[in-house]
Amino acid sequence: NAGVTQTPKFRILKIGQSMTLQCTQDMNHNYMYWYRQDPGMGLKLIYYSVGAGITDKGEVPNGYNVSRSTTEDFPLRLELAAPSQTSVYFCAASPTNEKLFFGSGTQLSVL
Amino acid sequence: GESVGLHLPTLSVQEGDNSIINCAYSNSASDYFIWYKQESGKGPQFIIDIRSNMDKRQGQRVTVLLNKTVKHLSLQIAATQPGDSAVYFCAEFGSSSASKIIFGSGTRLSIRP
Repeated sequence: NAGVTQTPKFRILKIGQSMTLQCTQDMNHNYMYWYRQDPGMGLKLIYYSVGAGITDKGEVPNGYNVSRSTTEDFPLRLELAAPSQTSVYFCAASPTNEKLFFGSGTQLSVL
Repeated sequence: GESVGLHLPTLSVQEGDNSIINCAYSNSASDYFIWYKQESGKGPQFIIDIRSNMDKRQGQRVTVLLNKTVKHLSLQIAATQPGDSAVYFCAEFGSSSASKIIFGSGTRLSIRP
């Protein structure tokens, strides 16, 4: 049982490039989330989904997009990457929007 | 305790001693709380949770205390071990909405041999 799997683990982007951070879970959990974690700060919610076909904005959605075509996958798309998007990104899943299970993160640098 | 900014508060504890990590939460309507452990380069790992109808909950070597009067949460780790070195942060859940989950910035626990 792998839980929540994120790829890639590290990525360096140039300003203006785009990329997709992949997240997949094998726990059949309805809720999925994308957070970013800046140094010394708490997790900030980017987008979340309460089930396949449903997504909602979180606290810091600007510059990102998501889709949830299946229960398992919740990719995060960055269009026109900016230095302010340098951060560590965590995907999480939960059966009930309570106990969140996190992936191991993607460290992204935009230079 | 929790803080916002680049410098996490650090708690240094002698191996074998007990550790107490504190969290001041913000929303008096929050009714569910989780403590997470985050080791360097890894994702947050669930440690223990507590609901607002309880004031204490115990797990294996860990105890969470909740004081709703002063909106304070603490995590006690008994007989601290080197493997306990990590950043610990609390999460408060104020409603059924995912957007209402608030994460603290964390406390770094370091263990002295």
